[in-house]
Amino acid sequence: QVQLQESGPGLVKPAQTLSLTCSVSGASISSGRYHWSWIRQPAGKGLEWIGRIYNTGSTNYSPSLKSRVSMSIDTSKNQVSLNLSSVTAADTAMYFCARGTVSGKDEDYLDYWGQGTLVTASS
Amino acid sequence: DIQMTQSPSSLSASVGDRVTITCRASQSISRYLNWYQQKPGKAPKLLIYAASRLQSGVPSRFSGSGSGTDFTLTISSLQPEDFATYHCQQTYSTQCSFGQGTKVEIK
Repeated sequence: QVQLQESGPGLVKPAQTLSLTCSVSGASISSGRYHWSWIRQPAGKGLEWIGRIYNTGSTNYSPSLKSRVSMSIDTSKNQVSLNLSSVTAADTAMYFCARGTVSGKDEDYLDYWGQGTLVTASS
Repeated sequence: DIQMTQSPSSLSASVGDRVTITCRASQSISRYLNWYQQKPGKAPKLLIYAASRLQSGVPSRFSGSGSGTDFTLTISSLQPEDFATYHCQQTYSTQCSFGQGTKVEIK
């Protein structure tokens, strides 16, 4: 049973750095079969892909957030982390982590998601 | 960046109706197109991957089609549990992107 659980502060002050962790159970983040994505969703709005990280530490980031985002992977703890710097009110959203599976031609999809964690950027 | 445009943004339908949602990519994405269902307060759930492949455990009333730039999600006979928001996602580019979502409401 694959499970993902996001954790981190629910409140971040403007201009500070948002830091979240995704703890994974039931699957090894060391496996080359998967990648690990972060997605966010402001209240009442659509999903925004933030970026993803592979077991090698290789990353892909959204062009609109690339200058402020960093992701890392801790294989000893089976966790992935997200840092988003210089936050503003526009970064207030539900943040999800998800497992990506690449299994064949045209096949690259997010098959397991965490429940999400709400982060508010406010003083 | 690849832009994904869903239509309509919302629709009202009755139980038993056939529902079709479309997703258009700003450039060809082959069949790297996924569909997710999201209910209020919940994480999205994978329905369809690679444009037309049904995720395990998803009812067969859901189907997907398309390739290149134009894709469709069809619910053949809408059930009460299908009232939700549906999102498409392209994974052709190393920078993935989602459509803006389509909310399916009860008529």
